[in-house]
Amino acid sequence: EAAVTQSPRSKVAVTGGKVTLSCHQTNNHDYMYWYRQDTGHGLRLIHYSYVADSTEKGDIPDGYKASRPSQENFSLILELASLSQTAVYFCASSPTISGNTLYFGEGSRLIVV
Amino acid sequence: GEQVEQLPSILRVQEGSSASINCSYEDSASNYFPWYKQEPGENPKLIIDIRSNMERKQIQELIVLLDKKAKRFSLHITDTQPGDSAMYFCAASEAGGNNKLTFGQGTVLSVIP
Repeated sequence: EAAVTQSPRSKVAVTGGKVTLSCHQTNNHDYMYWYRQDTGHGLRLIHYSYVADSTEKGDIPDGYKASRPSQENFSLILELASLSQTAVYFCASSPTISGNTLYFGEGSRLIVV
Repeated sequence: GEQVEQLPSILRVQEGSSASINCSYEDSASNYFPWYKQEPGENPKLIIDIRSNMERKQIQELIVLLDKKAKRFSLHITDTQPGDSAMYFCAASEAGGNNKLTFGQGTVLSVIP
């Protein structure tokens, strides 16, 4: 069974609206990440967290907030969705030790209209 | 932060031949270099990785080479099969923890029967 689950799997949002993408992991991993995937850009890190109640900015954090209320849950929040945020978003978890495997969720396809 | 360049973006090969994907990185302190495979509509999955204390690693038909001096690493798939058709991502990890991977732009590999 999937150890990293994302919801919703697909969403159409209106420009200026609020979007929350949720991620739940049962891997007992400390690290969680949000990446976005766009054609030609690969996977880019938005936010990550290594402990509950703390989040860190990744490489492209502008326009996004993150929340880690527990070890298992990590949310990505778009307060004012914009057209440029149309993308596929992947959540991932990883054990603590540097250089370990990222376990990705199934992805959330977001279309902003 | 780390920058990873990946080439080519598109690769077409005949079934049974070899396929090679090349990546370069900027931060000489990076010490972990994984490769992920993403099938259409799926999430990325780790297929092979190499750490900075190695120059070559092989798992079945997958070979990874690392040249730390040139800051380059590459994936070679020998005897390609139609099931190898997918998107491939290289990545590099910053030293010092956080397991914060920086991904290349991706290569779409098509194996022609």
